Amino acid sequence: GAGVSQTPSNKVTEKGKYVELRCDPISGHTALYWYRQSLGQGPEFLIYFQGTGAADDSGLPNDRFFAVRPEGSVSTLKIQRTERGDSAVYLCASSLNPSSWVHEQFFGPGTRLTVL
Amino acid sequence: AQSVTQLGSHVSVSEGALVLLRCNYSSSVPPYLFWYVQYPNQGLQLLLKYTSAATLVKGINGFEAEFKKSETSFHLTKPSAHMSDAAEYFCAVRSGNNNDMRFGAGTRLTVKP
Repeated sequence: GAGVSQTPSNKVTEKGKYVELRCDPISGHTALYWYRQSLGQGPEFLIYFQGTGAADDSGLPNDRFFAVRPEGSVSTLKIQRTERGDSAVYLCASSLNPSSWVHEQFFGPGTRLTVL
Repeated sequence: AQSVTQLGSHVSVSEGALVLLRCNYSSSVPPYLFWYVQYPNQGLQLLLKYTSAATLVKGINGFEAEFKKSETSFHLTKPSAHMSDAAEYFCAVRSGNNNDMRFGAGTRLTVKP
């Protein structure tokens, strides 16, 4: 596609529920990143995929968070037993070749998650 | 570990005035530095990046930033602010083989007519 897309744009859920957030990266981009942006803060790294595998998941806050990218394109961020503190904007980004530092990350518009 | 600090969560300038948004970084290895802009309800957009090729980096929309190793700074400037520059600006750093980018807390720029 023309850019990184994320669905849904907004998600409201209740505490304890399970949610899935989807990211469609730019076609041909091998690297995919998930970030979380809390109110008044900059984006915080969660996880990075190179192809189908999670190359770095050191930013995931706990085991309630999980992400997959089974075919090396679309990725899904999954949050179990949501808590009010999970409320944030979840950003996805992709880049052409992560081993080349000149390649920028292109960001999607984000999914705003609200946990009531 | 790398990090960035953006001084001033809010900056307000008059249209036509100089824009100066401050960013200081911390990195144990030579860093790669970035400035992103975020307009309301839109994704982050890259303004410019420093990757060691030149210390003065020119970006889109008339913005530029200068890498100063001695001051560990990468401040963003624009000679003359335009109303359309009103947005949130984020400085970010990436070091060595780290795959993650560390962002500052952001600076909200307001441009007064």
